[in-house]
Amino acid sequence: DVKVTQSSRYLVKRTGEKVFLECVQDMDHENMFWYRQDPGLGLRLIYFSYDVKMKEKGDIPEGYSVSREKKERFSLILESASTNQTSMYLCLSGLSSEAFFGQGTRLTVV
Amino acid sequence: QQQVKQSPQSLIVQKGGISIINCAYENTAFDYFPWYQQFPGKGPALLIAIRPDVSEKKEGRFTISFNKSAKQFSLHIMDSQPGDSATYFCAASWGAAGNKLTFGGGTRVLVKP
Repeated sequence: DVKVTQSSRYLVKRTGEKVFLECVQDMDHENMFWYRQDPGLGLRLIYFSYDVKMKEKGDIPEGYSVSREKKERFSLILESASTNQTSMYLCLSGLSSEAFFGQGTRLTVV
Repeated sequence: QQQVKQSPQSLIVQKGGISIINCAYENTAFDYFPWYQQFPGKGPALLIAIRPDVSEKKEGRFTISFNKSAKQFSLHIMDSQPGDSATYFCAASWGAAGNKLTFGGGTRVLVKP
């Protein structure tokens, strides 16, 4: 069974904290993506990776960074969390018909 | 800029009715057009997808209609059921851009029994 696992379902962090969101896939996918989901805006691409140690900016990378040290793991980092980063974060692994989302992490920054 | 525009934002339909969601895109290089279905508390899941070499694709009660010249595609849910109540996202991607998916804003569908 396909699995994309995000480390937390819910997170509450304080403004200014460094936040790590983890995504792990067991499908040997090369391509992994981080999106944030906000009402009315759909899903917006933050960063993506085609391979280990490789990363590219998406449409809204400001305030975020990523890490891909191993093929199965893609981490999203909020360097200094701000209230406007309160959102649902979704990890996507794979391409086209073989692309699968994790269950999402709802992050609240207070 | 929003490259994929989706409408309506929300939709209420009676059980047995037809739900129609429309999407328009700007980038003519897009070559893959999926629809995702998302239930509360879950990540989106691929529902159905089409490539621009066909004008229609049907899977069960779900049909994608694709109009390349108008740069539009739509999802039709026939005989809508309460279990279809979810948020639906259209998306588009193209291979030369790394197959990154660009999503529409989403449509919340409620099917009343």
